[in-house]
Amino acid sequence: DAGITQSPRHKVTETGTPVTLRCHQTENHRYMYWYRQDPGHGLRLIHYSYGVKDTDKGEVSDGYSVSRSKTEDFLLTLESATSSQTSVYFCAISERTSGFIEETQYFGPGTRLLVL
Amino acid sequence: AQKITQTQPGMFVQEKEAVTLDCTYDTSDPSYGLFWYKQPSSGEMIFLIYQGSYDQQNATEGRYSLNFQKARKSANLVISASQLGDSAMYFCAMREGVYSGGYQKVTFGTGTKLQVIP
Repeated sequence: DAGITQSPRHKVTETGTPVTLRCHQTENHRYMYWYRQDPGHGLRLIHYSYGVKDTDKGEVSDGYSVSRSKTEDFLLTLESATSSQTSVYFCAISERTSGFIEETQYFGPGTRLLVL
Repeated sequence: AQKITQTQPGMFVQEKEAVTLDCTYDTSDPSYGLFWYKQPSSGEMIFLIYQGSYDQQNATEGRYSLNFQKARKSANLVISASQLGDSAMYFCAMREGVYSGGYQKVTFGTGTKLQVIP
């Protein structure tokens, strides 16, 4: 258990509304990630963070923004939700497993988002 | 080209039998790491096992082992003595530059759905 929680766990919203998902970790991990999971696509990286106020884009970042004002919290915002953003969103952290760096990602429980 | 390929969308295995889930990868980076994750129907992603490209021995974690064939670029997951609770989606993943610091992208395969039959 990497001490990762996500909130909310389920959300239904309407097209055009902003949505914020929260990822919270308790173990002071430096790296945090947001992924989305869709059938046939596996997991795709949206944004990641390598420290407080340090973030960068992943492969599917359009329509999403992130913020990290504290080590323990990484927020994902859908500026104006669209039906194509209906997905399961996972937060992850990196942790050292057997090497000298944080090479292994551990995932939170996920948030199911439905955009109507 | 796909960096991670899982060619078996679905598989069945009899309880207590062993099963192999296939994963091939593509990279020109000499230092990389390979991972397997399990996703049961409840939805969480559970880390199972890790293999570094320079590791001399195949990784093992309990009933899970990774059959690492570097020349063939394959990293198959072997589950011994299957249990009903092993029914899940299984994802193979790779991180290149695994011995480097900083962010390196992790690429996931599309998964294999394993069903264990009583």
